[in-house]
Amino acid sequence: DVKVTQSSRYLVKRTGEKVFLECVQDMDHENMFWYRQDPGLGLRLIYFSYDVKMKEKGDIPEGYSVSREKKERFSLILESASTNQTSMYLCASSLPPGTGGADTQYFGPGTRLTVL
Amino acid sequence: TQLLEQSPQFLSIQEGENLTVYCNSSSVFSSLQWYRQEPGEGPVLLVTVVTGGEVKKLKRLTFQFGDARKDSSLHITAAQPGDTGLYLCAGASYNFNKFYFGSGTKLNVKP
Repeated sequence: DVKVTQSSRYLVKRTGEKVFLECVQDMDHENMFWYRQDPGLGLRLIYFSYDVKMKEKGDIPEGYSVSREKKERFSLILESASTNQTSMYLCASSLPPGTGGADTQYFGPGTRLTVL
Repeated sequence: TQLLEQSPQFLSIQEGENLTVYCNSSSVFSSLQWYRQEPGEGPVLLVTVVTGGEVKKLKRLTFQFGDARKDSSLHITAAQPGDTGLYLCAGASYNFNKFYFGSGTKLNVKP
């Protein structure tokens, strides 16, 4: 079974703090994604990575950065947390294009971040 | 604006009723996925449809991909309380490096 784990299920931070959200997958997937989920807005892509040290901006990258130093780990960084970044953050992984199952994403359980 | 529009946004029905959820777009996708998400958890894949006109069945759930690969539907027969959750559709771009999600349909099945 594919397993995607996220470092925290719940996190409370103060405005201006630097926040790290970690995601690890154990299936040797090339592609990894960070989304945020807000009521009525669905999942919105923040960043994705298709290889180690490679990253691409998604639809809402402002206020976020990412790091992929190892294939299995994809970190989301909030440089200076703000209240409008209070949300559910979901990490996902998938196989690369051209492989069977490339159209399937496997999600972690999510991190509910509250910024006070 | 969402690339994928889901309807209805909310659905509250009695156990045993049938329902259909729609996922529509003006864009063409290489494939479309349906996920179910329970509170406090990440989405879990139910099915992927790839071919225009394709129909897939998963027990009481029937999934259909439109002929033009722009829309899809999920039909649940004789809904049960265990079907309660958030249903999400997602379209895969042709290079599979991006997925576009609908805003979801929140289903509540009352016993």
